[in-house]
Amino acid sequence: QQQVKQSPQSLIVQKGGISIINCAYENTAFDYFPWYQQFPGKGPALLIAIRPDVSEKKEGRFTISFNKSAKQFSLHIMDSQPGDSATYFCAAKREGSNYQLIWGAGTKLIIKP
Amino acid sequence: DAGVIQSPRHEVTEMGQEVTLRCKPISGHDYLFWYRQTMMRGLELLIYFNNNVPIDDSGMPEDRFSAKMPNASFSTLKIQPSEPRDSAVYFCASSKGFAYNSPLHFGNGTRLTVT
Repeated sequence: QQQVKQSPQSLIVQKGGISIINCAYENTAFDYFPWYQQFPGKGPALLIAIRPDVSEKKEGRFTISFNKSAKQFSLHIMDSQPGDSATYFCAAKREGSNYQLIWGAGTKLIIKP
Repeated sequence: DAGVIQSPRHEVTEMGQEVTLRCKPISGHDYLFWYRQTMMRGLELLIYFNNNVPIDDSGMPEDRFSAKMPNASFSTLKIQPSEPRDSAVYFCASSKGFAYNSPLHFGNGTRLTVT
């Protein structure tokens, strides 16, 4: 059963706009929430990650917001650029597990110039 | 750092044939993972190794799938016999430990088509 639900499935944003991708989880025993970015023909690559003791983490134009009580976390891409067009995956690591990541289904983001 | 290297990039084979996918992890990484990616099922963890030892193979779909890691710089994923439903992109990934600052480094994948 899917324990990390990601939305939307696809997203089109104008250049310069804000892209927002949401994830919700169903199990409170997660202790690490990474986001991966995947370009066509490439493997996913870590973009940014957060731990549940932090409500927000920002790296450049990318921000993760984390709401522990709502069991939700989201990725915000500010000033979206055509080069940001990719598929984005959220994931969650089970607490105490040996790197068992539960993956979201992915969001295909297209930034229109 | 050459990254995780996978070969071949593309593999087309007929149903019933044996398929072997290869992976060279990043030097110094002690964890190696095999993932499968499809549109329907997304990213699925098949198996992972720690220090060349298989730790969790619960994601391997059937006995037709097997994986080995004979040394720290090489791993294989074998499908025998292959079936059309095995068609997918197979990724190998490696990491150094599993701490919070140890991300997975993925290869560029092998696109497998079984006809």
